Amino acid sequence: GEDVEQSLFLSVREGDSSVINCTYTDSSSTYLYWYKQEPGAGLQLLTYIFSNMDMKQDQRLTVLLNKKDKHLSLRIADTQTGDSAIYFCAERVGSSNTGKLIFGQGTTLQVKP
Amino acid sequence: GAGVSQSPSNKVTEKGKDVELRCDPISGHTALYWYRQSLGQGLEFLIYFQGNSAPDKSGLPSDRFSAERTGGSVSTLTIQRTQQEDSAVYLCASSIRYEQYFGPGTRLTVT
Repeated sequence: GEDVEQSLFLSVREGDSSVINCTYTDSSSTYLYWYKQEPGAGLQLLTYIFSNMDMKQDQRLTVLLNKKDKHLSLRIADTQTGDSAIYFCAERVGSSNTGKLIFGQGTTLQVKP
Repeated sequence: GAGVSQSPSNKVTEKGKDVELRCDPISGHTALYWYRQSLGQGLEFLIYFQGNSAPDKSGLPSDRFSAERTGGSVSTLTIQRTQQEDSAVYLCASSIRYEQYFGPGTRLTVT
């Protein structure tokens, strides 16, 4: 079946690195995503990685993918108070004609000044 | 450019009434998705439209839910005979290739 798991809460100090972890079950996933949701707002696409890659870096964000263990992580360098939000991991599943996303429960990131 | 827009932003309705939620995707995006976000169930896929293909309705929770997409652009999600468990934020997304962009959502409250 399709399932995505995340830890629910992470607290870090401003300036530290944050690492948010995610595991998924569908080995046919083609793309994996990270979205950010601030209070009262919609989902903002942060980054995504294709399943044949093991790392992607985009400014302060680093995504690591371990396909063997079906483990995905998002590292935020030099975390700022503006990074406080809920972070959702998602996998894209289905046939090439179906691009639905299966989301994890979301990890609340609290950044303390 | 303009992102995905949804209307209304908030909707309060009485149990048993029908509601229509609207989504305007990003111009040129061929795929359109509806998701639901609620405290108990998290983020759930509802339905997906891709071009002229038959929609993937596998996530619709009951036959009270339906959606259409007119002219390959605007989509309407209709919930008939609303129930309290339908209260949630309904999110629309559109995509071209692999990036899905979400709208701000419609918060539905059924009283």
